Amino acid sequence: GDSVTQTEGLVTLTKGLPVMLNCTYQTTYSPFLFWYVQHLNEAPKLLLKSSTDNKRTEHQGFYATLHKSSSSFHLQKSSVQLSDSALYFCALSEPTQVVGQLTFGSGTRLQVYA
Amino acid sequence: EAAVTQSPRNKVTVTGGNVTLSCRQTNSHNYMYWYRQDTGHGLRLIHYSYGAGNLQIGDVPDGYKATRTTQEDFFLLLELASPSQTSLYFCASSGDITEVFFGKGTRLTVV
Repeated sequence: GDSVTQTEGLVTLTKGLPVMLNCTYQTTYSPFLFWYVQHLNEAPKLLLKSSTDNKRTEHQGFYATLHKSSSSFHLQKSSVQLSDSALYFCALSEPTQVVGQLTFGSGTRLQVYA
Repeated sequence: EAAVTQSPRNKVTVTGGNVTLSCRQTNSHNYMYWYRQDTGHGLRLIHYSYGAGNLQIGDVPDGYKATRTTQEDFFLLLELASPSQTSLYFCASSGDITEVFFGKGTRLTVV
């Protein structure tokens, strides 16, 4: 079956530094990849969704590029802010699956310090 | 913005108890979902529905029932709650493959 792997459980950084959160996946078909962000006591919200292979997508200063050759969709930001502290989930959806049926990674908590 | 409202936000019940979690969406979306979130597992799909009266099983359905009474309302039922069902439960809705909208969650504790 499908799977999504996020290798870091916790990433701690000082504000202003760059960050990369890893996401790799396994699937039979050509998937859509997503990043969801969940702030404390809030609902998960869509941050980014993949475009075509090797094309970068950006939103709110975050960016990610789908690389089918390496089955990756890493999330990056050039300068993190305190407000970026949250739980980040990578997720995939296959065209053959039910609309909105997502397979999630285990999540990476990003903690930004002043 | 799309709205998904869950109730209650917190619930404590005893082992063997009967619990119903409620969800209402005002997005006119066809699809609704129940996920559970546990540390180290991310979110896992319990049940989903693509319209009133429809129910489909997800990846972790054991011990759960669900019912979609209207386009707007989707309920998750735990008829014999167990401590292993202590979790954070999210309801969500979607109209297409591009985005899923989540509620704020219900924290359920089974003691």
